[in-house]
Amino acid sequence: DQQVKQNSPSLSVQEGRISILNCDYTNSMFDYFLWYKKYPAEGPTFLISISSIKDKNEDGRFTVFLNKSAKHLSLHIVPSQPGDSAVYFCAASAQGSGGGADGLTFGKGTHLIIQP
Amino acid sequence: DGGITQSPKYLFRKEGQNVTLSCEQNLNHDAMYWYRQDPGQGLRLIYYSQIVNDFQKGDIAEGYSVSREKKESFPLTVTSAQKNPTAFYLCASSAQGLRYGYGYTFGSGTRLTVV
Repeated sequence: DQQVKQNSPSLSVQEGRISILNCDYTNSMFDYFLWYKKYPAEGPTFLISISSIKDKNEDGRFTVFLNKSAKHLSLHIVPSQPGDSAVYFCAASAQGSGGGADGLTFGKGTHLIIQP
Repeated sequence: DGGITQSPKYLFRKEGQNVTLSCEQNLNHDAMYWYRQDPGQGLRLIYYSQIVNDFQKGDIAEGYSVSREKKESFPLTVTSAQKNPTAFYLCASSAQGLRYGYGYTFGSGTRLTVV
């Protein structure tokens, strides 16, 4: 039973345009969400996070939006650059779960391809 | 310069052999994790440890073993009982709890291939 779903395995966007990556979750106890970026043969690196008390968090070209009623979050990248081509993982955490197995639940990832 | 170091980057194993993947961190993190990544499968948790001398099974622990004798180190042994060990293995660590803004810090991974 997937609690964090990234339904688009891949997404192709033209350089300079907006990339929108989506993530849905089913566990209403999740209250902290993160996006990670991963290049081939490397470990994921933290990109941006959002707490459930917010509906938006922005860091440079990256903005994460959270819609709690829809259990949906999205990552916007504006403008998209060639170096943004990577796999993006959505992850979620429930309060009080500490760092254990319930700490972070990952989606399967979306492969973003930025076309020149 | 703090971080997580995984070694080796590439590892080849003959069928029937055990092999150990190294993971060391100097971030003073309490919790450490091992994940496996297969194409189209995302990240699947193998084992995790929240404190020295204690560890717990994750979702796909069969055929794997770990130890946590030191806070800095969390080696993973892939045993001959693991039926399909060829994969990309990722180690991660985190401060106690996930309220520090950055979730997990990941190593650069080990690509294990069974020949």
